[in-house]
Amino acid sequence: GAGVSQTPSNKVTEKGKYVELRCDPISGHTALYWYRQSLGQGPEFLIYFQGTGAADDSGLPNDRFFAVRPEGSVSTLKIQRTERGDSAVYLCASSLDGTSGTGELFFGEGSRLTVL
Amino acid sequence: AQSVTQLDSQVPVFEEAPVELRCNYSSSVSVYLFWYVQYPNQGLQLLLKYLSGSTLVKGINGFEAEFNKSQTSFHLRKPSVHISDTAEYFCAVRKTGRRALTFGSGTRLQVQP
Repeated sequence: GAGVSQTPSNKVTEKGKYVELRCDPISGHTALYWYRQSLGQGPEFLIYFQGTGAADDSGLPNDRFFAVRPEGSVSTLKIQRTERGDSAVYLCASSLDGTSGTGELFFGEGSRLTVL
Repeated sequence: AQSVTQLDSQVPVFEEAPVELRCNYSSSVSVYLFWYVQYPNQGLQLLLKYLSGSTLVKGINGFEAEFNKSQTSFHLRKPSVHISDTAEYFCAVRKTGRRALTFGSGTRLQVQP
């Protein structure tokens, strides 16, 4: 596709359930990022992939959060035992650059997660 | 750790008036600076960035920003706004050598006719 695609756009789940959020980056983009945006706040960094490997996962809040990118393209953010505080918009972004890190990030429209 | 402060949560302005959205950051090391815009029901989009060189940076849609190292500021300006500029604007910094962006809490620009 032309841009970063995220699915689902909306997800409502119950406390304690497991959730997967998917990100399909722009074709050829080697770098992929996950951010979380709570209501009234700016996006908060979660994790960054360069290719298949997680180069920086320092933003993951706890071990209930995990992300994979097995083939260096599509990524899945996985949240176990969801809590009400996990409710937010989860944003994915990708960029073309390699190690320089100065390339433009292209963001998807986000997946809105609501935990009841 | 670095942090970003956007001093105004909302800025109402009339069409064709000038506007300045303020951004201050704190960091003990060199940073790259960015402004992103989020239009309703759309993803974040890069407006402009400062990496090095000239401190006055021009971006898309007639926006510009000036990096002031002594005041640790990166304010966004536009001399004449349009209704279509109504959106949420986010300032962000990135420490050199790292990829993670630290965002401010955003400023909602509301352009009125």
